[in-house]
Amino acid sequence: NAGVMQNPRHLVRRRGQEARLRCSPMKGHSHVYWYRQLPEEGLKFMVYLQKENIIDESGMPKERFSAEFPKEGPSILRIQQVVRGDSAAYFCASSQGSNYGYTFGSGTRLTVV
Amino acid sequence: QKEVEQDPGPLSVPEGAIVSLNCTYSNSAFQYFMWYRQYSRKGPELLMYTYSSGNKEDGRFTAQVDKSSKYISLFIRDSQPSDSATYLCAINYGGSQGNLIFGKGTKLSVKP
Repeated sequence: NAGVMQNPRHLVRRRGQEARLRCSPMKGHSHVYWYRQLPEEGLKFMVYLQKENIIDESGMPKERFSAEFPKEGPSILRIQQVVRGDSAAYFCASSQGSNYGYTFGSGTRLTVV
Repeated sequence: QKEVEQDPGPLSVPEGAIVSLNCTYSNSAFQYFMWYRQYSRKGPELLMYTYSSGNKEDGRFTAQVDKSSKYISLFIRDSQPSDSATYLCAINYGGSQGNLIFGKGTKLSVKP
C-alpha cells in the first residue's frame, strides 16, 4: 500500500498562473481532505470530498480555489491566478470515513514568485 | 476563544525523559481525538486515535482524554532523539463534519 500520494512535491508558479495539486488517496479510502500549512502556523482545513461530491468546503477561499474528486483518478486542488500569499504547504489526507484516523500525504510545497 | 489550544514550545528534554504534551479544547461536542507527529518538511503521521475519556497506550506512547476538563495529553516514555519532531493534536466532531481541527503543534527536541 503506497499510502497517500501527492504530486508534485514542489511547485513553483509565477503570480497570475494556475497551480494544480494532485492527491491519490490510500487504497480503500473514499474520503479526501485538503489542508494548508503556512510557516509557523497550524494545519488549516480547506475542503472535504467524497467521490464526485464536495461535502464541506467551508475552509476554502471563495475565489480562485476549487477542488474535485472525480469518479476516476486523483483529487485535484486548483488555484487560479496565484498570488504570493498562496505560498504554503498543501497536504492531502484520506480516510475510510470521518470517524476514522486520517492518513496524510507528504504534501506539495507551492512557491509563488 | 480558539477551538483548540496547544503550547507551541519549543520543548527540550534529555534522552530517556518522560515527555508530556497537552491541548485544551473549547467545545464539548468534539468526539474524536488524535495525535500526529510531523518531521520537518514531511506530512503529519498519525500516532494515536481515541474517542473516549481515559487512557490509550501504544508502546512508549500514551494518549489521555479528559472530556470533563476538555483536556487531552500525549505522554512519551523513554524519549529518544528520533522523537524530535512537532506534535500536533487534532479533534473533530465526527459524523458528516469530517474536518479535523488542529492545534498549532509543539516542537519537541530530545537531546542525546
